[in-house]
Amino acid sequence: NAGVTQTPKFRVLKTGQSMTLLCAQDMNHEYMYWYRQDPGMGLRLIHYSVGEGTTAKGEVPDGYNVSRLKKQNFLLGLESAAPSQTSVYFCASSYYYPTGENSPLHFGNGTRLTVT
Amino acid sequence: GQSLEQPSEVTAVEGAIVQINCTYQTSGFYGLSWYQQHDGGAPTFLSYNGLDGLEETGRFSSFLSRSDSYGYLLLQELQMKDSASYFCAGTGANNLFFGTGTRLTVIP
Repeated sequence: NAGVTQTPKFRVLKTGQSMTLLCAQDMNHEYMYWYRQDPGMGLRLIHYSVGEGTTAKGEVPDGYNVSRLKKQNFLLGLESAAPSQTSVYFCASSYYYPTGENSPLHFGNGTRLTVT
Repeated sequence: GQSLEQPSEVTAVEGAIVQINCTYQTSGFYGLSWYQQHDGGAPTFLSYNGLDGLEETGRFSSFLSRSDSYGYLLLQELQMKDSASYFCAGTGANNLFFGTGTRLTVIP
């Protein structure tokens, strides 16, 4: 079982460039999430999706867009990268709303993005 | 709003017991989860408390008191491999929100 797979693992961008981070899960989970992790700030939710074709904003959505065209995939886009978006990005999924031990978040291994 | 506070660092001796506290403010609170993250790795789920009281899973236990908006993770018989960051996460009305994490260092 692959679980949650993120690509790429590393990326360096110049300010103003665009890119898309890919997330795929093979667990038939309804919910998918994008978090960013910065030193001393924990994990902050960027956007999430509660099912195919749906997206919603999290805590820090500015500068990012997402799409969930297929249930198993959740894409995070940066249209014009800024140095403040240098971070580690984690995708996660859960079977349903994370209210119990039966529906924890399953994380991918992260994408380390540097914007110069 | 949502906020979860936990100590930034804890150091403990191999074989000992350590407690990592978490206080929270979340609207529509459902429960408290704990996640472990080793350096360079992904967070992994440890435990969840939906009701007040203690939940035990092997060497790890987690506690919740809704009246005090407080929970903790207890690690017993510490091993070197337990050196990692530990995050509490509150399930609120809109989603799951993480604390800033506690870095646990286990020393021989």
